[in-house]
Amino acid sequence: AQTVTQSQPEMSVQEAETVTLSCTYDTSENNYYLFWYKQPPSRQMILVIRQEAYKQQNATENRFSVNFQKAAKSFSLKISDSQLGDTAMYFCARGKTSGSRLTFGEGTQLTVNP
Amino acid sequence: DTAVSQTPKYLVTQMGNDKSIKCEQNLGHDTMYWYKQDSKKFLKIMFSYNNKELIINETVPNRFSPKSPDKAHLNLHINSLELGDSAVYFCASSLRTSGFNEQFFGPGTRLTVL
Repeated sequence: AQTVTQSQPEMSVQEAETVTLSCTYDTSENNYYLFWYKQPPSRQMILVIRQEAYKQQNATENRFSVNFQKAAKSFSLKISDSQLGDTAMYFCARGKTSGSRLTFGEGTQLTVNP
Repeated sequence: DTAVSQTPKYLVTQMGNDKSIKCEQNLGHDTMYWYKQDSKKFLKIMFSYNNKELIINETVPNRFSPKSPDKAHLNLHINSLELGDSAVYFCASSLRTSGFNEQFFGPGTRLTVL
């Protein structure tokens, strides 16, 4: 089975500091898509950032950026200037070019402390 | 202005009952999904429909039956509910089946089977 692994079940960070969440995945395809979703206590799944595997440049969205290492099959999320509202469960997910399913990791619960 | 809506948001029922969860998207998307999030927050695809046709059917008990009356709706019927069906069920949609498509999630339905 092609899997997505998040090795950090829980992490915490002080407000305004930087934190990195890890994600590794398994795939036999050359092109695919990677996503980070955020699930706050409200339960809503919110897309944070996405990356196409054929693009070497790392995606960036405001305070959120990724470190995509294709050879290592690693896709980490960096959150800069952490805010209290960043407290949530973060899920890494892999999508395929053909077929639409997303395969999710187990999630990392991030707590931002004041 | 809700993009993907689900009803109800909470559902408490007795073992053995039959229940339905409704999902609607107003984004004009072709593809819709059902995901199950278990008590450990793990998210897994159950079904996917493209323009009313079933394209993904994971190893889900046949007590679960999705129905898509039109491409804007994907309902989930569950017969003979069991304790293990307790979970949060998410509906999602994306513009197309293949390619770099963000999936938009509904707010989730928390199902509790007593």
